[in-house]
Amino acid sequence: DTEVTQTPKHLVMGMTNKKSLKCEQHMGHRAMYWYKQKAKKPPELMFVYSYEKLSINESVPSRFSPECPNSSLLNLHLHALQPEDSALYLCASSQPGQGRAGELFFGEGSRLTVL
Amino acid sequence: DAKTTQPNSMESNEEEPVHLPCNHSTISGTDYIHWYRQLPSQGPEYVIHGLTSNVNNRMASLAIAEDRKSSTLILHRATLRDAAVYYCILRDILTGGGNKLTFGTGTQLKVEL
Repeated sequence: DTEVTQTPKHLVMGMTNKKSLKCEQHMGHRAMYWYKQKAKKPPELMFVYSYEKLSINESVPSRFSPECPNSSLLNLHLHALQPEDSALYLCASSQPGQGRAGELFFGEGSRLTVL
Repeated sequence: DAKTTQPNSMESNEEEPVHLPCNHSTISGTDYIHWYRQLPSQGPEYVIHGLTSNVNNRMASLAIAEDRKSSTLILHRATLRDAAVYYCILRDILTGGGNKLTFGTGTQLKVEL
């Protein structure tokens, strides 16, 4: 099983809504990531969790709140978003460490539209 | 974070080899060079990585310059399914575990019949 599963695939929300994006992997990976990708742009790193602890927050606004309840799950809680937050949100996982083990496995993403 | 520079786009004919260049003049001694590609409507996928020596796998080959300031991803026989954005990335290993991949602008590869 080499999949990273993201739900929902599409999400439309208003600026006052609270919603969550979910990510799941069963590869035994202990590092998980959230990336944001705007149209025609490269992915931008938002958060990194390593062994269920937040290790990187790339100065992301507090309206994005990550959560890693266990080693297989990663959530991104969304509240009071702005239209410019509309993007593809990508989840990834990896084994911590060097070499081949450092490969990131990406999900297909959740496409978010904020009205 | 170390940076990479790639051409915005390249074109190839099907069944021909493709050489995708990448410059990383500020690379440090411990930076691994990773290549990922992103097909339309999909998340990025790993292609290959290397440190100092040239590398081959079933998808591609990676040629690394002796001074490590540049590298080239080689697709030996391009197919239409190889049309994607190819990203050259210098990987940072995080102290607490995990890897930091900072994507550059990438190269859009177009493959024609």
